[in-house]
Amino acid sequence: SQTIHQWPATLVQPVGSPLSLECTVEGTSNPNLYWYRQAAGRGLQLLFYSVGIGQISSEVPQNLSASRPQDRQFILSSKKLLLSDSGFYLCAWTAGGLQETQYFGPGTRLLVL
Amino acid sequence: GIQVEQSPPDLILQEGANSTLRCNFSDSVNNLQWFHQNPWGQLINLFYIPSGTKQNGRLSATTVATERYSLLYISSSQTTDSGVYFCAVQYSGYALNFGKGTSLLVTP
Repeated sequence: SQTIHQWPATLVQPVGSPLSLECTVEGTSNPNLYWYRQAAGRGLQLLFYSVGIGQISSEVPQNLSASRPQDRQFILSSKKLLLSDSGFYLCAWTAGGLQETQYFGPGTRLLVL
Repeated sequence: GIQVEQSPPDLILQEGANSTLRCNFSDSVNNLQWFHQNPWGQLINLFYIPSGTKQNGRLSATTVATERYSLLYISSSQTTDSGVYFCAVQYSGYALNFGKGTSLLVTP
């Protein structure tokens, strides 16, 4: 069966520091991968998605970037964190194709102070 | 972009009660999912239901695509049903567009 991991689970970082969040998927090949952010309140916003190694699409211009160095690994990064980057970051995967069920990881809670 | 509206925003039920959560969307969609976010933040898939009706235990969902709404039914609610329920739709590209959710509290 497929599983999705994220780490770290929680992170407290000072403003201006770098960021690296990692997401890995097991039990599937060639997944589509997604990064979402859930800020205070409840809505989720898609940040990035990837349909293959090295292929990244950005949905919202911001202080963050994403990379996919391996088929089942998706990384969210920042060179300098802002207070507004605080939130709950969720990684998700789907099988290849557009109309597929999305499955979410456990998330990373980021607090920027 | 597409608008996704969920109602009610908040709901308090006594254990054993039934409830209906609604999701309205502003355009034709090719994917609709219902999720439950538990108190630890985990988003759990409930249904993939772009049209039709599905049932899973005490939960069922119906999507009427032509009228642009979906309903999630919870019967005989339990305290473990507490959390936030999200509707999310996909109408073009890869993005899922989420509603703001319905926060459900089931009391003993």
